[in-house]
Amino acid sequence: GAGVSQSPRYKVAKRGQDVALRCDPISGHVSLFWYQQALGQGPEFLTYFQNEAQLDKSGLPSDRFFAERPEGSVSTLKIQRTQQEDSAVYLCASSLVSLPNEQFFGPGTRLTVL
Amino acid sequence: AQSVAQPEDQVNVAEGNPLTVKCTYSVSGNPYLFWYVQYPNRGLQFLLKYITGDNLVKGSYGFEAEFNKSQTSFHLKKPSALVSDSALYFCAVRDYQTGANNLFFGTGTRLTVIP
Repeated sequence: GAGVSQSPRYKVAKRGQDVALRCDPISGHVSLFWYQQALGQGPEFLTYFQNEAQLDKSGLPSDRFFAERPEGSVSTLKIQRTQQEDSAVYLCASSLVSLPNEQFFGPGTRLTVL
Repeated sequence: AQSVAQPEDQVNVAEGNPLTVKCTYSVSGNPYLFWYVQYPNRGLQFLLKYITGDNLVKGSYGFEAEFNKSQTSFHLKKPSALVSDSALYFCAVRDYQTGANNLFFGTGTRLTVIP
């Protein structure tokens, strides 16, 4: 079956622009995670959804970052007034609630803020 | 607090030789441990995990890892390296004690297998 998909794969934004990154999880996967991977670093947790409920947003670096999953499927990560330090690869992962240790990752969106 | 250390940024090994990629961790309770591999322009791919039970776990592509509680380590190993194993490897931990579902990753080790 299809894996986790993310779009766009690449995004270039001018500093100050708003961006929206989309994640389509594996069908039936209730849990959804967003991670940020800076160049040369490991992924860092941003936020976690179970269905449409955002249960953990402790990793969001500032109030410019906002994530939603209104119907419990597709999720969007929005970054307002982008800054150069937001440049990173944004990874989405999904899993079954019954198998929380089987996270499947998408290919990521590489965001470059100029 | 939880943490993962991958002490080697780069590991080089000759094709056919055994390889080891090191990982140590720190969590407040019992750890759930994972290894992922990342190829260029692709997402993280799951290799193997330790949850409970046998300390030696076997995973995809002939990889295995040994959980050592006393040394708080979870080193990734393979008996005979292939050129196609060249990639970026990440160790990760989930702290069961905190109830958090997210993974905490190390900084990664780049493995290069030399033909």
